[in-house]
Amino acid sequence: AQTVTQSQPEMSVQEAETVTLSCTYDTSESDYYLFWYKQPPSRQMILVIRQEAYKQQNATENRFSVNFQKAAKSFSLKISDSQLGDAAMYFCAYRIPNSGGSNYKLTFGKGTLLTVNP
Amino acid sequence: ETGVTQTPRHLVMGMTNKKSLKCEQHLGHNAMYWYKQSAKKPLELMFVYSLEERVENNSVPSRFSPECPNSSHLFLHLHTLQPEDSALYLCASSQDLWTSGRNEQFFGPGTRLTVL
Repeated sequence: AQTVTQSQPEMSVQEAETVTLSCTYDTSESDYYLFWYKQPPSRQMILVIRQEAYKQQNATENRFSVNFQKAAKSFSLKISDSQLGDAAMYFCAYRIPNSGGSNYKLTFGKGTLLTVNP
Repeated sequence: ETGVTQTPRHLVMGMTNKKSLKCEQHLGHNAMYWYKQSAKKPLELMFVYSLEERVENNSVPSRFSPECPNSSHLFLHLHTLQPEDSALYLCASSQDLWTSGRNEQFFGPGTRLTVL
């Protein structure tokens, strides 16, 4: 079965510090997309960052960056200069394109709850 | 309204009640989804619609009945639910089901359902 594992149910970080959330996944496909979603206490899940598996360069979006290790099937999220508004549940997910009838399916991890301490 | 909206945000119902959840997307998308989010579990995909046609029913019990009257609206009709159905129900939309490139799903804020 294709799965996503987030080994850290909870993490905490001091404001302005850096934190890394881990994610590993298991798929036999070579072409896929990886995502980090953020779900704040208001519950609207938003996309933070995405990575195409065929790209070697790690994606970056402002203070958010990923460390994508394809061989290790690892996709960690680094948040730099953490802010109080970063406190949320973070979900790692992947999607396999060109897979026929299930081109749209997102496989999610269980999430990591990030607390930001002032 | 922008993005994906859901109503109600909170719902408490008895096991014998009938209620409906509503989702509306303002993004011009052609695909819509229902997910169930339970504590400490990955999101579970329940139903998928493409241009008002149901594409997937992920082994969901018949007490959950989806309806998609047009590409902007999605409903989830609930009847004779069980306490274990208590969860956050999320709606999402995407441009379509088949684009392999950028085709992210946009989520609504969810409906927190409690079944007594």
